[in-house]
Amino acid sequence: AQKITQTQPGMFVQEKEAVTLDCTYDTSDQSYGLFWYKQPSSGEMIFLIYQGSYDEQNATEGRYSLNFQKARKSANLVISASQLGDSAMYFCAMREVNSGYSTLTFGKGTMLLVSP
Amino acid sequence: ETGVTQSPTHLIKTRGQQVTLRCSSQSGHNTVSWYQQALGQGPQFIFQYYREEENGRGNFPPRFSGLQFPNYSSELNVNALELDDSALYLCASSIGQGRLNTEAFFGQGTRLTVV
Repeated sequence: AQKITQTQPGMFVQEKEAVTLDCTYDTSDQSYGLFWYKQPSSGEMIFLIYQGSYDEQNATEGRYSLNFQKARKSANLVISASQLGDSAMYFCAMREVNSGYSTLTFGKGTMLLVSP
Repeated sequence: ETGVTQSPTHLIKTRGQQVTLRCSSQSGHNTVSWYQQALGQGPQFIFQYYREEENGRGNFPPRFSGLQFPNYSSELNVNALELDDSALYLCASSIGQGRLNTEAFFGQGTRLTVV
């Protein structure tokens, strides 16, 4: 079963508008971390924002915020005031701890295109 | 920039050959993880090194092997290359292990094409 599900293969948004990228996750752990990464065409995975499972407030980093709904197991990324440079692939990931090491499990990603 | 550098950026190899990819981790980071990202997919965990020891491995065959050096830089070696090994290989560095592991910072990746 998929542990990270991103149901939107692609999203379109106009410049200066807000956009929400969906992510749902599946875990039986009580302690976990959720990440969003941006991957431009150059390939590098750029860390955007982190939410810990015990964090009571939604994480925010500049124009990025994470809408964390623990009971629904969702961790949607909200980008406010979209810019042309936001066009990229966006990946949701969950940190899992196995036998003393941690890994990131990624979703399949959402391609965001920002138009003028 | 994250401070994580990978080389080479692009590589073309023939089926059956061997390849070595390199990663220089961010200063102070003692944990290196390698991921394989096939076209149109999210990255898949290959293995992780902490203080020069492999401490975790994903669902990849033994022909995928690695090393971590005292300066925490790392290599990924793939033997007997197959066409399906064509992918973007990403290196990520972080600090610590297990629940104390910090967020990972990625390099720009090495795009491997096997023909």
